[in-house]
Parts: sequence; structure tokens; C-alpha cells
Amino acid sequence: GEEVAQTPKHLVRGEGQKAKLYCAPIKGHSYVFWYQQVLKNEFKFLISFQNENVFDETGMPKERFSAKCLPNSPCSLEIQATKLEDSAVYFCASSQSADRGGNQPQHFGDGTRLSIL
Amino acid sequence: GQQLNQSPQSMFIQEGEDVSMNCTSSSIFNTWLWYKQDPGEGPVLLIALYKAGELTSNGRLTAQFGITRKDSFLNISASIPSDVGIYFCAGMEGGSEKLVFGKGTKLTVNP
Repeated sequence: GEEVAQTPKHLVRGEGQKAKLYCAPIKGHSYVFWYQQVLKNEFKFLISFQNENVFDETGMPKERFSAKCLPNSPCSLEIQATKLEDSAVYFCASSQSADRGGNQPQHFGDGTRLSIL
Repeated sequence: GQQLNQSPQSMFIQEGEDVSMNCTSSSIFNTWLWYKQDPGEGPVLLIALYKAGELTSNGRLTAQFGITRKDSFLNISASIPSDVGIYFCAGMEGGSEKLVFGKGTKLTVNP
């Protein structure tokens, strides 16, 4: 599609439950990025993919967070054993390949608001 | 890690006024981006800057990539009520292409 599509828009989970978020990048974009936006609007980079391969995972809390981008499927971000501090808006962004010339700007979805109760 | 200092944190202006906001970094970025975020939505790209010294316009918006590659500013001329929102600068790291964001400038425009 022409937009980054994220589902669900809202997700409520009890502490300790699993949460799974989905992202369909813009058609033709080969990079996918996940960011977490917490209170006070701060964005934190989590992980990026180049096609189905992990490109940079330096921002991922390894213990409970995992992500995948499989062929012909939406990308996903999964949080096991959620904690109250995981409450945030999770944004997915995609960009074209750098082969098209230099760094390509990232285009964002509207996010998934995750609330841990 | 890298951090961006964005200022001002908030602005209250009258419709028709011009606005300026800026970002500085302790380290160099290869690309600077400016986004606007409305409540309940994702950041929307306004302007992308790729070369040191580059000055780019998009309608009433003008942004510049600083010569040192450590700063950028965004100007909005003749503000209108729909300019209300939070504006973010973001620097793109070479190699990883991940974005480092400023903390945002919340703009309020009084009609």
C-alpha cells in the first residue's frame, strides 16, 4: 500500500501477558524500523530490518522483546511477559533502499497504543 | 548514545506570525529530517535535508542543514491554525539509518 499500516490501533494487556503488534510497510520499501514513544514524546529506536533480515537491533530489550519480518507477511513486534513500563505508543516506519541514492527518509504509521494494566 | 537538543520546548503564537525552531547535536549526522505529529497519529515527514549547508523549502516551511552537520533549523512563515502540533527534528545515523529524535517543539497557534 501507499501507507505504513499498523494494527491494532489500541491494545490493552494485563501485566505478564503477551502483546503482539503488526506492521505492513509501504509497498516497495525494503527497510522497516520500530520505535517506542513514551511519555514526554521521547522516541526510542528498537530494531530495524532490511527485508527479512535484522539490520540493527541495538535498541531492543533482548529479554522480552522480539521482532520478525517474514516474506509475504506483516512485520511483527512481540513482547512477552509485559510490564507496566512497556506502556507506550509503538511506531513502525519504512523506507526505500539506500541503493536509490543516499539515506532515504522514513515514513511512519499511526502507531499502536499499548496499555499494560 | 547520540542526543539531539531541540528548542524551544513549546511556543504560543498568533496566527500570521513566523516561527523558528532548531536542533543541535554533539555529533555529526548525514541526514536531518523534520516531522510533524498530530495527536493520535504518527509523525509526518515535512522536509528532508541531505547536504551540509542545504536550504530547502516546502510551501511555508523552510529548513536548513547546518554547515557543521551538527544542527538544523525549521522556519514556518505566516502560521495558520492547522500548523498546531508537535514538531520533531531527527538525525539519521550513517550506516544503521536509525533516527535519533529531538524531544519536540509543541506549537500552539491562536487565531
